[in-house]
This record gives sequence, C-alpha cells and structure tokens, in this order.
Amino acid sequence: AVMTQSPLSLPVIFGQSASISCRSSQSLVSSDGNTYLNWFHQRPGQSPRRLIYKVSVRDSGVPDRFSGSGSGTDFTLKISKVEAEDVGVFYCMQGTHWPWTFGQGTKVEIK
Amino acid sequence: EAQLVESGGDSVQPGGSLRLSCAASGFTFNNYWMGWVRQAPGKGLEWVATISQGGGDRFYVDSLKGRFAISRDNAKDLLYLQMITLRVDDTAVYYCVRLEAVGTVDHWGQGALVTVPS
Repeated sequence: AVMTQSPLSLPVIFGQSASISCRSSQSLVSSDGNTYLNWFHQRPGQSPRRLIYKVSVRDSGVPDRFSGSGSGTDFTLKISKVEAEDVGVFYCMQGTHWPWTFGQGTKVEIK
Repeated sequence: EAQLVESGGDSVQPGGSLRLSCAASGFTFNNYWMGWVRQAPGKGLEWVATISQGGGDRFYVDSLKGRFAISRDNAKDLLYLQMITLRVDDTAVYYCVRLEAVGTVDHWGQGALVTVPS
C-alpha cells in the first residue's frame, strides 16, 4: 500500500491548529476488522516515537492535543494548539498489508 | 521500561558485508515480533524486515530479499540483521523496533549508522 501524506511541509504558528492528511492506495481495513494506521513523530536528531495507533488510539503520555481520525483509505492527524515541542516530522504508517509502509513525512516548523 | 540498543554500524565498501545487533532489555524479548526499519540521510522511513517471536516467520521488503537476513537469539535477547553485497543506497540509519502487536511498533532503538561510500 502506497501512503501519501499532505502537505509535506507545514509552517505553523504557536497556539494554532494543524492538520495532516494521509491517504492509502488501498483500504487499510484488515481481515480481523481492525484498521492498522499509526502516526509517529520524529524530532530532529531523535528516533521516531509513536503517537497514535489503530487510527485514533493515543499512546500513554501523548497530549490530548493530538487526535487521529479516518477510515478505509483516508486518515487525518490533528494537532490543536501547536507547541514548540511539536516541531519535527510526522509520519503515518500502515500495518495492515506487508510490507508495512510509511508516508513521505510532513515537516512541521514554526512560522 | 523497554529498551533497544543497536550496535555494529560502520562504514563498509560497496560489495561488503555487515551484521547489526540489537540488545533488548526491560521486557520479555521472546514474547514479541521484532523488526528493522531504515532511514537514509535526510529521507523518510522504510521497513526492512520482521521476525516472529520464535524466529520461524520472517518477512522482508521485496527489494532487499536475498541480501538482508533477520534473525534472533532469544537466549541472549538479541536481534540481528545480516547484510551482504552492500550498495551505496543502503547507506542509512538502521532502527531496531519492537512490534507491540499486529500492525504497530511501540519502541524504537536509537539507530545504527551504516555508510556505504561511493
């Protein structure tokens, strides 16, 4: 499955909201009924960190400013009230079809 | 707290071989599928391979089949990636990852840099 993110670059102002789209070339609904769509955040010089799995389940410790939604082939990560620590690259990743695949990444930077 | 620490990254001439290791701690290693993900300099993330808890099931991205081999030693809590016939475009940071469950990764190592100079 080819994962396509947009935009690839997202300049934001502190305190404003941001939204990243992720589209799959095929449905991510698995034969078990689950949709294995994940979101990761990679800060400069660091390893990626998972934020969300199964479309909308936030990891422990992830601020509720982050929310995931979507179904089938279209998914969205929303960040309300962007903070300085949010800079970096956000990746979606599908875990339904092998090989698992990532989107190209969306670079979030502060205006 | 689960921890993954890669080692073995190096600069290798084209055509050469290298083995990466990943030491796992803080969790019951043989309960989890494991994998390798790589990231070329300034680029995005790419899956390399995954391996089942006992090592009997292994999956590779098609483009790397035959050159890369994933394995594990559950007695030593170690994950390996054997790479042969290395090419310039194999230059990347290689991350060891834990597959928490079907379809997802919950822990990443700090990465091991493999450089294949042109």
